[in-house]
Amino acid sequence: DTTVKQNPRYKLARVGKPVNLICSQTMNHDTMYWYQKKPNQAPKLLLFYYDKILNREADTFEKFQSSRPNNSFCSLYIGSAGLEYSAMYLCASSRWRLTSAETLYFGSGTRLTVL
Amino acid sequence: GDSVTQTEGPVTLSEGTSLTVNCSYETKQYPTLFWYVQYPGEGPQLLFKVPKANEKGSSRGFEATYNKEATSFHLQKASVQESDSAVYYCALSDRGSGGSNYKLTFGKGTLLTVTP
Repeated sequence: DTTVKQNPRYKLARVGKPVNLICSQTMNHDTMYWYQKKPNQAPKLLLFYYDKILNREADTFEKFQSSRPNNSFCSLYIGSAGLEYSAMYLCASSRWRLTSAETLYFGSGTRLTVL
Repeated sequence: GDSVTQTEGPVTLSEGTSLTVNCSYETKQYPTLFWYVQYPGEGPQLLFKVPKANEKGSSRGFEATYNKEATSFHLQKASVQESDSAVYYCALSDRGSGGSNYKLTFGKGTLLTVTP
């Protein structure tokens, strides 16, 4: 069963308030990813966890934090939400660390709206 | 940096007609090329991938050839069905400039709607 689950499906947040998004996978995959998808833009990699090691993209380094308390769960944390954070957030996993031909398995996403 | 450019949508076709979604890429490396498909209410899922130049990938009647000279990976299907309505993403995987980690870079996606 190749399943990545994200909760909640929709989330409403207030400007300046924190936001925490949750993702889980039951495939015992080593690597978990978070992507941000805005309308008319390509999905953008924010960060990924390889085992317990967090790698954050340079241009979003200070905007997003993450934790992975165990192999199955990974969270995405926004300390103070701004209007620009409104987007679909996609969680994904891969069996091993990303190689040239590794397949990513995606969840259905959490649509975050910041007001 | 790496980039992927694909046909701007939305694309609307009648059932039984042929589909081409253009995909061009830029990279200094030797990437693996992917097509992902996202059905309504679901996350993207792999359609197929091609790791080597001049090879063809295919799945569910869709196919694409890795053309290294033209830096293209166009998606084609001879006869689309209503169930093919989805967003199609072209993507490439490589290390990027000076990077140690592989990274999957997506295009913006092409929304396909097939009418009966």
